[in-house]
Order: sequence, then structure tokens, then C-alpha cells
Amino acid sequence: ETGVTQTPRHLVMGMTNKKSLKCEQHLGHNAMYWYKQSAKKPLELMFVYNFKEQTENNSVPSRFSPECPNSSHLFLHLHTLQPEDSALYLCASSQRTGGEKLFFGSGTQLSVL
Amino acid sequence: DAKTTQPNSMESNEEEPVHLPCNHSTISGTDYIHWYRQLPSQGPEYVIHGLTSNVNNRMASLAIAEDRKSSTLILHRATLRDAAVYYCIAYMNYGGSQGNLIFGKGTKLSVKP
Repeated sequence: ETGVTQTPRHLVMGMTNKKSLKCEQHLGHNAMYWYKQSAKKPLELMFVYNFKEQTENNSVPSRFSPECPNSSHLFLHLHTLQPEDSALYLCASSQRTGGEKLFFGSGTQLSVL
Repeated sequence: DAKTTQPNSMESNEEEPVHLPCNHSTISGTDYIHWYRQLPSQGPEYVIHGLTSNVNNRMASLAIAEDRKSSTLILHRATLRDAAVYYCIAYMNYGGSQGNLIFGKGTKLSVKP
């Protein structure tokens, strides 16, 4: 148990669906992250939030829309996804940004049909 | 961030020590070396980090070359549960406010009974 909880663990959606991924951390951290892990590829950093403010967006397509209502919760809203978006989506948190120790959730395995 | 190079895969026997190498020849004087590992079906987890001196914790030891151009993660007695992908990351400004940890492809460690 890392203190970072992601739901759902698995998600199957069609290209026209809208769904959301949820992440919650119970560690009192101020920074939260979304990473994408596709098969056979390294983890890709998608978004970074520090004290609820987005500090990094790594050229992620607009069909991925993050939301951070407070320092403990992070969402990733998904709409009109493509099959190539199928991947493991990982949430992480840290005390601050800037190379601090990351704590990861177990991820949401997303399949887009 | 300094670029790191790791072997794609390594094999070990159970209960034997494992030495996982990482080259980071472009590392700067302020780059910390971080190691994470990712067990199957889980998010990455922190293993250890260091700057110049060798470091030990309950999970592993980190040996850093004197010129800091390479480092080695040492698992003293491999168990089957240590089978994972191990990531080496060289990152500057530990505890600062700029940038984030970027993961490479890592080394896939297999442990044979």
C-alpha cells in the first residue's frame, strides 16, 4: 500500500465514450502527476500539478483533460480516445516537485476499442 | 537531466547478489541518482537515491563511482519477489522546484529459483 489509490483498476471504453480516471493520495503531498505507460515503451510524463496548479503539460492531446480540485485528488477526464491511447495510466504524488521521491498508485489499465 | 544507459535485461539466481549497472557519463555535480523498480502489474516504487557517497537501506545498496559517471544498484540476496524492471534516473536539483523525474526503459531483472 503506497498511500496512492487509483480507480478504476481496469477500464474498457469505446472511442465515443467519456470516462474519468481518479487518483487520491493520503500522504499529505503537494504535487501530483499523471504518467502513461504503453506496452514496450518507457513511462511518459503527461501532467504535473503542484499545489493544485498545473505546472507541466507534455504536449498531451486535448482529448486528455486533467483536473486537480485539491492537493489530495487528481482526475484524468477522457473523451473521444483512439485505440493507440490504450495503456496503463499511473498517478503519482510527491511532497514537492523537482525530483522528490515519487509514490505511485497501481494504475488504471485502459483499453480503447 | 543527464541521460542514463542500462542493460535491457539481466538474470540472477535466487539468494545470490545482483549488481545492476547504470552509466550516466553526462551527469553534473548536482545530479542525484535515483533508482526505482516496477513489479509486474504495479506502479514503480522508490528503491534508493544518492549523490556522491555509497548509500544503504533495507532494500538495496547504491555504489557510486568516484567520477560519478556510473553507479551500481546492489541487491544483496535476490528473491523471486525482486523480479522487476529497475530504472536508474539522474536528476538535478533534488528538492528544488524545477523539472521532474523522467524514466527510461530500465533493466528487466529475472530471478531464477
